[in-house]
Amino acid sequence: GENVEQHPSTLSVQEGDSAVIKCTYSDSASNYFPWYKQELGKRPQLIIDIRSNVGEKKDQRIAVTLNKTAKHFSLHITETQPEDSAVYFCAATPGGAQKLVFGQGTRLTINP
Amino acid sequence: NAGVMQNPRHLVRRRGQEARLRCSPMKGHSHVYWYRQLPEEGLKFMVYLQKENIIDESGMPKERFSAEFPKEGPSILRIQQVVRGDSAAYFCASSGSEETQYFGPGTRLLVL
Repeated sequence: GENVEQHPSTLSVQEGDSAVIKCTYSDSASNYFPWYKQELGKRPQLIIDIRSNVGEKKDQRIAVTLNKTAKHFSLHITETQPEDSAVYFCAATPGGAQKLVFGQGTRLTINP
Repeated sequence: NAGVMQNPRHLVRRRGQEARLRCSPMKGHSHVYWYRQLPEEGLKFMVYLQKENIIDESGMPKERFSAEFPKEGPSILRIQQVVRGDSAAYFCASSGSEETQYFGPGTRLLVL
């Protein structure tokens, strides 16, 4: 079945700097890749997603890139702010399935 | 437009009791998914349902766990004879015609 690996597990950056989180997946038929942000004790919130027919997508300070050949996708956050501090999860939908397979999460800390 | 609703938000059970978790999808959504999140871990898929049908239960433990999504009313995740290892946050998500899944606030189950 699908396996999603996420790195790094923790990331600490200075406010205003950029943060990059990377994920790899194993099922070449996976076709949908969302990113979720989860604050402590809260629900996962969708922040951006990308489908396999697109290589890059941007929404203000957040961007996601997808490399289907290498089977990896990345989240980029620019001009980081303290409120970006949270756990971020990548996910993939295996081909032919509706379920999400999640990475292990990255705890992002923005230092003022 | 109310989002995904879950209740109860917190549930305490003693070993051997039953736990019933309820999920009402977003208005207009007919796909419901259940995920489990252990402390400091990622989300693990359990089951995917549409009205009156279980579509994918590949992540459900074979014993003690069951799920339903009746024609009327919320989806129910039922755990019989709970054990301490069942303590976790259980999240429900819903989607419409596209893959995008929106999560509820979760039910935090504590088994004493």
